[in-house]
Amino acid sequence: VQLVESGGGLVQPGGSLRLSCAASGFIFSDYWIYWVRQAPGKGLVWVSRFNSDGSDTNYADSVTGRFTISRDDAKNTLYLQMDSLRAEDTAVYYCGRGRVATFVDYWGQGTLVTVSS
Amino acid sequence: SYVLTQPPSVSVAPGKTATITCGGNNIGDISVHWYLQKPGQAPVLVIYYDSDRPSGIPERFSGSNSGNTATLTISRVEAGDEGDYYCQVWDRSSDQGVFGGGTKLTVL
Repeated sequence: VQLVESGGGLVQPGGSLRLSCAASGFIFSDYWIYWVRQAPGKGLVWVSRFNSDGSDTNYADSVTGRFTISRDDAKNTLYLQMDSLRAEDTAVYYCGRGRVATFVDYWGQGTLVTVSS
Repeated sequence: SYVLTQPPSVSVAPGKTATITCGGNNIGDISVHWYLQKPGQAPVLVIYYDSDRPSGIPERFSGSNSGNTATLTISRVEAGDEGDYYCQVWDRSSDQGVFGGGTKLTVL
């Protein structure tokens, strides 16, 4: 099982970034996929969730209206489009999978997003 | 939104038992999951549905959940158990995931 995040980097406040999470080693379409972030030196914070059949998404209040999660089952890839980025969005972003809707049973290694001028 | 409260730190001698709590309003009514994050690494699931262990997690790890407190217990603690432990629930009222603030376990 592998989840590999990419797309992180330095972006100015108000800018956009798209993160990718490439999955392998399991049937991608059978799993819920999550994004969780961790600001430097801080704890884990749930960001978003996409259900296994692609019909439902959820977002944390702090990113609703700015972040959009999507998935391409043909490419076994999950995306997180992040718009109107703020300094407080600076964090390592982890993607994770879950066989059920409520917890992550496997995590990727994360990608760092830095929002700064 | 739902709030989970964890002690910032717990210290324990090798071979002893570590207890990490996770407090929440009527948390016993919902499922609690626990993760271990070692420095510089991604989190790893160690307990799900209050007390179930994923394959590969030692039997020394156990969990319970009742009333307003969920508990992660690590028996016969080893140096390799050090790290940050996070509890997590799914808040059905907001339909969002919630993590506790994390507890740093130090093995003396």
